[in-house]
Amino acid sequence: SQQGEEDPQALSIQEGENATMNCSYKTSINNLQWYRQNSGRGLVHLILIRSNEREKHSGRLRVTLDTSKKSSSLLITASRAADTASYFCATGTNNAGNMLTFGGGTRLMVKP
Amino acid sequence: DAGVIQSPRHEVTEMGQEVTLRCKPISGHNSLFWYRQTMMRGLELLIYFNNNVPIDDSGMPEDRFSAKMPNASFSTLKIQPSEPRDSAVYFCASSSGLVNEQFFGPGTRLTVL
Repeated sequence: SQQGEEDPQALSIQEGENATMNCSYKTSINNLQWYRQNSGRGLVHLILIRSNEREKHSGRLRVTLDTSKKSSSLLITASRAADTASYFCATGTNNAGNMLTFGGGTRLMVKP
Repeated sequence: DAGVIQSPRHEVTEMGQEVTLRCKPISGHNSLFWYRQTMMRGLELLIYFNNNVPIDDSGMPEDRFSAKMPNASFSTLKIQPSEPRDSAVYFCASSSGLVNEQFFGPGTRLTVL
């Protein structure tokens, strides 16, 4: 089974609303990353949060990490139609070198 | 920097043929990853290299798949013989450092008829 699993699998909202996506994982990590994938394109890194951090911001993105619950959330505020994409969480562990384990992704649709 | 470069972008071949996918990582990156993405199985790590050495190939589905990294600027993923179930988008990614982000190429869309 996958280390990171996103919830929900699909999310549809109106432009201007906030979008929240969640990620759960199973084993201890040293960092968790969020990536975005537009249809037909490669993944693009959005933000990285280390295991000793609880919250991080980047523009309209806010990521939280709760290591006690082994979960993370990605919040996109004031969503735009251009935010329509799939969003993946990925976890890195101390034993895995530079390897990341990706979840199944959340498909976000923002309606104009 | 041009980013991670993959070729070809699209490949259509017939079952039984050999397929070679190519990747040029970002200059200076010391880790390279090959992934496969399908609707059914999502994004799967096939193999990754560190300093040109294969570190983990447990994701390679079977002996028909092989990957090489002869130098720091080039890697290939070969499928021989190819089968229809190999149809997928294959991504190459590279990274540097210990705690790092991965930079993905545009992918190769492989269709095996």
